[in-house]
Amino acid sequence: EPEVTQTPSHQVTQMGQEVILRCVPISNHLYFYWYRQILGQKVEFLVSFYNNEISEKSEIFDDQFSVERPDGSNFTLKIRSTKLEDSAMYFCASSYGTRQETQYFGPGTRLLVL
Amino acid sequence: KNEVEQSPQNLTAQEGEFITINCSYSVGISALHWLQQHPGGGIVSLFMLSSGKKKHGRLIATINIQEKHSSLHITASHPRDSAVYICAMNYGGSQGNLIFGKGTKLSVKP
Repeated sequence: EPEVTQTPSHQVTQMGQEVILRCVPISNHLYFYWYRQILGQKVEFLVSFYNNEISEKSEIFDDQFSVERPDGSNFTLKIRSTKLEDSAMYFCASSYGTRQETQYFGPGTRLLVL
Repeated sequence: KNEVEQSPQNLTAQEGEFITINCSYSVGISALHWLQQHPGGGIVSLFMLSSGKKKHGRLIATINIQEKHSSLHITASHPRDSAVYICAMNYGGSQGNLIFGKGTKLSVKP
């Protein structure tokens, strides 16, 4: 069964460093999402991406964040200068359509900023 | 403000019990999702509902659009059902992003 994959599974970085989180969505899906979950808190939406551009973003997704689909398969989230409060689990998800479509989640990348 | 509220926050049940988890939301939605988060963190979609009722195995999800309320039921619960169950919504104005509830942590004892 097709699945969303994410790499790395864990990343430890120093405050101020850049990180890139990678995702491979399901191949025929058209909509891609990043969510994050700070330890002990609920999952929060960061950004959605369709047709090679951001379709929606949350207040969390400030200028330190960017997303890219550099080729036909990968979908990346870059954090330019990490802060302690960026420590969280980051989930990528994909769906074929938007509002009434099941989203398929990757296993997550656990990011720890020291 | 777009809110999703779940109850209870924590639930402990004996194996075999019938379980109900409730979700209420504050705005018009295009769809309501129930997801399961495993202890390792992974998230799996269980149901996506825009009306009525859906059933998959021992899981049943219902939604009442007028009352802005949904329930997830688990029949004949089993220890392997232990997980966090999360309600999330696509609200009417969104482009597909989900707004999540805080989740209900279910523990089923043998």
